[in-house]
Amino acid sequence: DAKTTQPNSMESNEEEPVHLPCNHSTISGTDYIHWYRQLPSQGPEYVIHGLTSNVNNRMASLAIAEDRKSSTLILHRATLRDAAVYYCILRTTTSGTYKYIFGTGTRLKVLA
Amino acid sequence: DAGITQSPRHKVTETGTPVTLRCHQTENHRYMYWYRQDPGHGLRLIHYSYGVKDTDKGEVSDGYSVSRSKTEDFLLTLESATSSQTSVYFCAISEPVTGWNEQFFGPGTRLTVL
Repeated sequence: DAKTTQPNSMESNEEEPVHLPCNHSTISGTDYIHWYRQLPSQGPEYVIHGLTSNVNNRMASLAIAEDRKSSTLILHRATLRDAAVYYCILRTTTSGTYKYIFGTGTRLKVLA
Repeated sequence: DAGITQSPRHKVTETGTPVTLRCHQTENHRYMYWYRQDPGHGLRLIHYSYGVKDTDKGEVSDGYSVSRSKTEDFLLTLESATSSQTSVYFCAISEPVTGWNEQFFGPGTRLTVL
């Protein structure tokens, strides 16, 4: 199965942009790139996903490299509530079924 | 919030005893997943189901079995619990056939095996 690699931790100042990188060099052509985040003592929650093109939603933007071997989650203005563990995930398709492969995540610390 | 509940939320058991965790959904989603979360490992897929009675193994399935006899329930069983199975277990659901890829997660079950 394809894997994702992320830095263990990152820091950002409040109200500044944050770029969270992810490497997925063994990604397959049908694998979707997902990002989830997990707040303390909660289950992960969806942030954004994409296949080939860059994506924007109200929470974040996702920039996908042209060769799809890496991606970057962009939080445009970090707030203290954005402090969480961010997971870069591949949704893979095997024999017509779908499963999600999580990386180990990046712990984002936001400084006031 | 998606209607996903997990029971029990906390459990302490002894090595060698059987344990069953339950995931219940009210969303009628076809896919259900069991993950475990341990420090330094993120979430790892144990088993998943893509329909009633249709299940498959994930990356850490040894020592676990699952059953799905109806759409809303997905059971995870540890036949003989070991201390290495002490973890936080998350259930998730999704309905990819609608074109929407999002997974929804339950609140988690903290299992301690002494």
